Amino acid sequence: TQLLEQSPQFLSIQEGENLTVYCNSSSVFSSLQWYRQEPGEGPVLLVTVVTGGEVKKLKRLTFQFGDARKDSSLHITAAQPGDTGLYLCAGAKGGADGLTFGKGTHLIIQP
Amino acid sequence: SQTIHQWPATLVQPVGSPLSLECTVEGTSNPNLYWYRQAAGRGLQLLFYSVGIGQISSEVPQNLSASRPQDRQFILSSKKLLLSDSGFYLCAWRQLGARNIQYFGAGTRLSVL
Repeated sequence: TQLLEQSPQFLSIQEGENLTVYCNSSSVFSSLQWYRQEPGEGPVLLVTVVTGGEVKKLKRLTFQFGDARKDSSLHITAAQPGDTGLYLCAGAKGGADGLTFGKGTHLIIQP
Repeated sequence: SQTIHQWPATLVQPVGSPLSLECTVEGTSNPNLYWYRQAAGRGLQLLFYSVGIGQISSEVPQNLSASRPQDRQFILSSKKLLLSDSGFYLCAWRQLGARNIQYFGAGTRLSVL
């Protein structure tokens, strides 16, 4: 059972466009992380959201945690080729358990 | 600052051969440690995690095992590899007492032929 659904799975847009990636679940998480992964490398943490309704900004990236802490979104403004990569959302529950990952969104920004 | 090391970076092994992947963390004490496997271009599946020396929790029954012989060392092993063991293996650590924010190593690409 896939507890975290990411959409879209693939997205290819032109440089300068805006985009939104979604991460949805029927489960409640204590926190949710977004990672970006380059081919052949480990995921790199972008942000952690903890509070329902929380919004965090990282330059042109805006992350939002749903009020019920079941879903999240990543919005990129004026996308650049350097934003290309695999974006993964991961939910955390209490305790030492591992993270639950979505399948990821493959993003390609064409110059 | 904390760093995490995984090796080897790539590995090609024949079916039926043993496996040993190593992960070490520097700059922290008593971290929680994790092994994940990632299918090509996909999300990560948790395999094992450890909250301390000699303490291993298995998430998915399979042909693999894990051990934690030292506080900051986590090893993934197999006695006989299967074709289905091929994949990208990632080690991660989390600071004890902190929110479940995990930091990943660079990964090991394992090809079983």
